[in-house]
Amino acid sequence: GQQLNQSPQSMFIQEGEDVSMNCTSSSIFNTWLWYKQDPGEGPVLLIALYKAGELTSNGRLTAQFGITRKDSFLNISASIPSDVGIYFCAGQHMDSNYQLIWGAGTKLIIKP
Amino acid sequence: KAGVTQTPRYLIKTRGQQVTLSCSPISGHRSVSWYQQTPGQGLQFLFEYFSETQRNKGNFPGRFSGRQFSNSRSEMNVSTLELGDSALYLCASSRGSGYTFGSGTRLTVV
Repeated sequence: GQQLNQSPQSMFIQEGEDVSMNCTSSSIFNTWLWYKQDPGEGPVLLIALYKAGELTSNGRLTAQFGITRKDSFLNISASIPSDVGIYFCAGQHMDSNYQLIWGAGTKLIIKP
Repeated sequence: KAGVTQTPRYLIKTRGQQVTLSCSPISGHRSVSWYQQTPGQGLQFLFEYFSETQRNKGNFPGRFSGRQFSNSRSEMNVSTLELGDSALYLCASSRGSGYTFGSGTRLTVV
């Protein structure tokens, strides 16, 4: 099925560094969602975006709904060990019949 | 407020058997979606139910089926299990566009 292009696939970072990841699509989306998944658990919703250009923060996390409506970005500032996990973007476009389209995930690993 | 509850949490089955997994959504959520996740893979969409009707379906073989009851609880069934069906099966419920996931059922086929 259709997938979003999510990058990078994985990231090795030092504790305290800022992190950026993004998702792009060939279709126009009307909703973007960012999730985090810890090992062996279900994904947890971090941030939801509903308007083009919208910038939303959740603690050290900030996400933006791209102005073209075809992309979204997630930034994590001053990373800490508990940020380790897999981050997924997901979106809905007008023709998706409410179905979520998912990115393949970005695995965040913090170097000791 | 209770979250999404999936049972059982872990399951071991033999090749050729069938299995039924259960999902109780958050109260008031009428949409339930099912996903398969294999190690290191993303979320593969199985199907979505809304008000007891299948609203969307992914690209899985007919061995994978589901249903939703009038109280929005949902079950998924996999018949004639194959080794490749070993995965974490996740369900998610929604009242709008934000989906809340359960902790999943870890199915191992031996």
